[in-house]
Amino acid sequence: DIQMTQSPSTLSASVGDRVTITCRASQSISTWLAWYQQKPGKAPKLLIYKASSLDRGVPSRFSGSGSGTDFTLTISSLQPDDFATYYCQQYNNIGTFGQGTKVEIK
Amino acid sequence: EVQLVQSGAEVKKPGESLKISCKASGYSFTSYWIGWVRQMPGKGLEWMGIIHPGDSETRYRPSFQGQVTISADKSISTAYLQWSSLKASDNAMYYCARPVMRGDGHYFDYWGQGTLVTVSS
Repeated sequence: DIQMTQSPSTLSASVGDRVTITCRASQSISTWLAWYQQKPGKAPKLLIYKASSLDRGVPSRFSGSGSGTDFTLTISSLQPDDFATYYCQQYNNIGTFGQGTKVEIK
Repeated sequence: EVQLVQSGAEVKKPGESLKISCKASGYSFTSYWIGWVRQMPGKGLEWMGIIHPGDSETRYRPSFQGQVTISADKSISTAYLQWSSLKASDNAMYYCARPVMRGDGHYFDYWGQGTLVTVSS
Protein backbone atom coordinates (compact mmCIF):
# COMPACT_ATOMS: atom_id res chain seq x y z
CA ASP A 1 0.00 0.00 0.00
CA ILE A 2 1.01 3.57 -0.59
CA GLN A 3 1.45 5.25 2.81
CA MET A 4 0.07 8.74 3.40
CA THR A 5 1.52 10.91 6.18
CA GLN A 6 -0.18 14.10 7.31
CA SER A 7 1.31 16.87 9.39
CA PRO A 8 0.68 18.21 11.86
CA SER A 9 -1.55 15.76 13.72
CA THR A 10 -3.17 18.62 15.60
CA LEU A 11 -3.24 22.29 14.74
CA SER A 12 -4.45 25.09 17.04
CA ALA A 13 -5.68 28.18 15.24
CA SER A 14 -7.97 31.17 15.58
CA VAL A 15 -10.82 32.38 13.42
CA GLY A 16 -9.37 34.34 10.52
CA ASP A 17 -6.03 32.48 10.50
CA ARG A 18 -4.52 31.04 7.36
CA VAL A 19 -4.11 27.31 7.90
CA THR A 20 -1.99 24.84 5.94
CA ILE A 21 -2.05 21.05 6.28
CA THR A 22 0.56 18.88 4.58
CA CYS A 23 0.16 15.38 3.16
CA ARG A 24 3.09 13.30 1.90
CA ALA A 25 2.83 10.08 -0.12
CA SER A 26 5.37 7.26 0.15
CA GLN A 27 5.65 7.21 -3.65
CA SER A 28 4.54 9.42 -6.49
CA ILE A 29 0.78 9.62 -6.99
CA SER A 30 0.72 12.34 -9.68
CA THR A 31 -2.28 14.49 -8.66
CA TRP A 32 -4.55 11.64 -7.61
CA LEU A 33 -5.29 13.07 -4.18
CA ALA A 34 -8.50 13.97 -2.37
CA TRP A 35 -9.15 15.91 0.83
CA TYR A 36 -12.06 15.36 3.22
CA GLN A 37 -13.45 17.21 6.24
CA GLN A 38 -14.97 15.28 9.12
CA LYS A 39 -16.80 16.76 12.09
CA PRO A 40 -17.40 14.76 15.29
CA GLY A 41 -20.15 12.18 14.87
CA LYS A 42 -20.55 12.94 11.17
CA ALA A 43 -19.53 11.31 7.93
CA PRO A 44 -16.56 12.67 6.01
CA LYS A 45 -17.30 15.28 3.36
CA LEU A 46 -15.36 15.56 0.12
CA LEU A 47 -13.64 18.94 -0.25
CA ILE A 48 -11.08 18.55 -3.03
CA TYR A 49 -10.22 15.94 -5.66
CA LYS A 50 -7.40 15.68 -8.18
CA ALA A 51 -5.24 17.63 -5.73
CA SER A 52 -6.74 21.05 -6.48
CA SER A 53 -10.32 20.71 -7.81
CA LEU A 54 -12.98 21.94 -5.38
CA ASP A 55 -16.03 19.72 -5.03
CA ARG A 56 -19.40 21.36 -5.69
CA GLY A 57 -20.51 23.78 -2.99
CA VAL A 58 -17.15 23.89 -1.17
CA PRO A 59 -16.25 27.46 -0.15
CA SER A 60 -13.45 29.10 -2.10
CA ARG A 61 -11.41 29.68 1.09
CA PHE A 62 -10.37 26.03 0.71
CA SER A 63 -7.65 25.26 -1.81
CA GLY A 64 -5.37 22.35 -2.60
CA SER A 65 -2.04 22.11 -4.32
CA GLY A 66 0.81 19.73 -5.04
CA SER A 67 1.81 16.81 -7.22
CA GLY A 68 4.02 13.78 -7.00
CA THR A 69 4.52 13.12 -3.29
CA ASP A 70 3.85 16.45 -1.55
CA PHE A 71 0.47 18.11 -1.17
CA THR A 72 -1.13 20.89 0.86
CA LEU A 73 -4.62 21.87 1.90
CA THR A 74 -4.96 25.56 2.70
CA ILE A 75 -7.81 27.38 4.40
CA SER A 76 -7.26 31.04 3.60
CA SER A 77 -9.29 32.48 6.50
CA LEU A 78 -10.45 29.96 9.09
CA GLN A 79 -14.14 30.14 9.92
CA PRO A 80 -15.96 28.71 12.98
CA ASP A 81 -17.47 25.96 10.80
CA ASP A 82 -13.98 24.78 9.76
CA PHE A 83 -12.94 23.33 13.12
CA ALA A 84 -12.84 19.65 12.23
CA THR A 85 -10.51 16.81 11.28
CA TYR A 86 -9.12 16.74 7.76
CA TYR A 87 -7.98 13.65 5.87
CA CYS A 88 -6.05 13.26 2.66
CA GLN A 89 -6.55 10.18 0.48
CA GLN A 90 -4.47 8.96 -2.44
CA TYR A 91 -6.30 7.16 -5.23
CA ASN A 92 -3.45 6.42 -7.59
CA ASN A 93 -3.62 2.80 -6.48
CA ILE A 94 -6.64 1.48 -4.58
CA GLY A 95 -7.03 4.23 -1.97
CA THR A 96 -5.33 4.93 1.34
CA PHE A 97 -6.04 7.74 3.78
CA GLY A 98 -3.73 9.81 5.89
CA GLN A 99 -4.08 9.60 9.66
CA GLY A 100 -5.90 12.93 9.90
CA THR A 101 -5.20 16.47 11.11
CA LYS A 102 -7.42 17.92 13.80
CA VAL A 103 -7.91 21.68 13.55
CA GLU A 104 -8.88 22.96 16.98
CA ILE A 105 -9.67 26.34 18.49
CA LYS A 106 -6.63 28.15 19.89
CA GLU B 1 -30.27 14.52 -4.80
CA VAL B 2 -27.94 11.61 -4.12
CA GLN B 3 -28.61 10.01 -0.73
CA LEU B 4 -27.12 7.00 1.02
CA VAL B 5 -29.13 5.96 4.07
CA GLN B 6 -27.66 3.32 6.33
CA SER B 7 -29.28 0.95 8.79
CA GLY B 8 -29.20 1.65 12.51
CA ALA B 9 -26.65 0.94 15.22
CA GLU B 10 -26.06 -2.68 16.19
CA VAL B 11 -24.92 -4.34 19.41
CA LYS B 12 -23.72 -7.91 18.99
CA LYS B 13 -21.74 -10.57 20.81
CA PRO B 14 -18.47 -12.08 19.55
CA GLY B 15 -19.18 -14.95 17.17
CA GLU B 16 -22.54 -13.60 16.03
CA SER B 17 -23.32 -12.75 12.42
CA LEU B 18 -24.39 -9.35 11.15
CA LYS B 19 -25.51 -7.69 7.93
CA ILE B 20 -25.80 -3.91 7.68
CA SER B 21 -27.32 -2.04 4.79
CA CYS B 22 -27.04 1.13 2.73
CA LYS B 23 -29.99 2.27 0.60
CA ALA B 24 -29.15 4.51 -2.32
CA SER B 25 -31.40 7.02 -4.02
CA GLY B 26 -31.18 9.94 -6.40
CA TYR B 27 -29.03 8.25 -9.03
CA SER B 28 -28.89 5.11 -11.15
CA PHE B 29 -27.76 2.48 -8.63
CA THR B 30 -26.55 0.04 -11.27
CA SER B 31 -24.36 2.64 -13.02
CA TYR B 32 -22.03 3.42 -10.12
CA TRP B 33 -19.84 1.44 -7.76
CA ILE B 34 -20.59 1.63 -4.03
CA GLY B 35 -18.24 0.85 -1.16
CA TRP B 36 -17.62 0.58 2.55
CA VAL B 37 -15.18 2.46 4.79
CA ARG B 38 -14.28 1.55 8.37
CA GLN B 39 -13.45 3.99 11.15
CA MET B 40 -12.36 2.40 14.40
CA PRO B 41 -12.93 4.41 17.61
CA GLY B 42 -10.78 7.52 17.63
CA LYS B 43 -8.96 6.43 14.48
CA GLY B 44 -8.76 7.27 10.78
CA LEU B 45 -10.50 5.95 7.69
CA GLU B 46 -9.87 2.61 5.94
CA TRP B 47 -11.38 1.61 2.61
CA MET B 48 -12.71 -1.97 2.88
CA GLY B 49 -14.12 -2.83 -0.52
CA ILE B 50 -16.41 -1.82 -3.35
CA ILE B 51 -19.07 -3.47 -5.49
CA HIS B 52 -20.60 -2.65 -8.85
CA PRO B 53 -24.31 -3.42 -8.48
CA GLY B 54 -24.74 -3.72 -12.24
CA ASP B 55 -22.67 -6.90 -12.53
CA SER B 56 -21.79 -7.64 -8.87
CA GLU B 57 -18.05 -7.29 -9.50
CA THR B 58 -16.48 -6.85 -6.08
CA ARG B 59 -13.04 -5.66 -5.03
CA TYR B 60 -11.71 -5.97 -1.50
CA ARG B 61 -8.78 -4.34 0.22
CA PRO B 62 -6.48 -7.32 0.87
CA SER B 63 -6.68 -6.94 4.66
CA PHE B 64 -10.48 -7.32 4.54
CA GLN B 65 -10.66 -10.15 2.00
CA GLY B 66 -12.27 -13.17 3.69
CA GLN B 67 -13.21 -11.12 6.77
CA VAL B 68 -16.35 -9.51 5.38
CA THR B 69 -18.71 -9.93 2.43
CA ILE B 70 -20.00 -7.04 0.34
CA SER B 71 -23.13 -7.56 -1.72
CA ALA B 72 -25.87 -5.56 -3.40
CA ASP B 73 -29.55 -6.01 -4.32
CA LYS B 74 -30.20 -3.88 -7.37
CA SER B 75 -33.96 -4.46 -7.16
CA ILE B 76 -34.05 -2.30 -4.02
CA SER B 77 -30.93 -0.16 -4.64
CA THR B 78 -29.28 -1.42 -1.47
CA ALA B 79 -25.72 -2.46 -0.66
CA TYR B 80 -24.74 -4.68 2.24
CA LEU B 81 -21.76 -5.41 4.44
CA GLN B 82 -21.83 -8.64 6.38
CA TRP B 83 -19.86 -10.65 8.87
CA SER B 84 -20.29 -14.38 9.57
CA SER B 85 -18.55 -14.27 12.94
CA LEU B 86 -17.93 -10.94 14.62
CA LYS B 87 -14.85 -10.20 16.71
CA ALA B 88 -14.26 -7.50 19.31
CA SER B 89 -11.89 -5.89 16.80
CA ASP B 90 -14.87 -5.24 14.50
CA ASN B 91 -16.03 -2.49 16.86
CA ALA B 92 -16.20 0.53 14.59
CA MET B 93 -18.29 2.99 12.65
CA TYR B 94 -18.93 1.77 9.11
CA TYR B 95 -19.73 4.17 6.29
CA CYS B 96 -21.05 3.36 2.87
CA ALA B 97 -19.84 5.74 0.21
CA ARG B 98 -20.02 6.15 -3.55
CA PRO B 99 -16.62 5.94 -5.21
CA VAL B 100 -15.56 7.99 -8.20
CA MET B 101 -13.42 5.53 -10.12
CA ARG B 102 -10.09 6.46 -11.63
CA GLY B 103 -8.02 3.62 -13.02
CA ASP B 104 -6.89 1.43 -10.14
CA GLY B 105 -8.07 3.89 -7.53
CA HIS B 106 -11.09 5.86 -6.41
CA TYR B 107 -12.20 8.59 -4.06
CA PHE B 108 -15.64 9.02 -2.48
CA ASP B 109 -18.06 11.82 -3.38
CA TYR B 110 -21.15 10.83 -1.39
CA TRP B 111 -21.29 9.20 2.04
CA GLY B 112 -23.92 7.56 4.21
CA GLN B 113 -24.45 8.72 7.80
CA GLY B 114 -22.63 5.70 9.26
CA THR B 115 -23.62 2.56 11.17
CA LEU B 116 -22.04 1.99 14.58
CA VAL B 117 -21.26 -1.66 15.27
CA THR B 118 -20.53 -2.60 18.87
CA VAL B 119 -19.25 -6.09 19.60
CA SER B 120 -19.13 -6.96 23.27
CA SER B 121 -19.61 -10.03 25.40
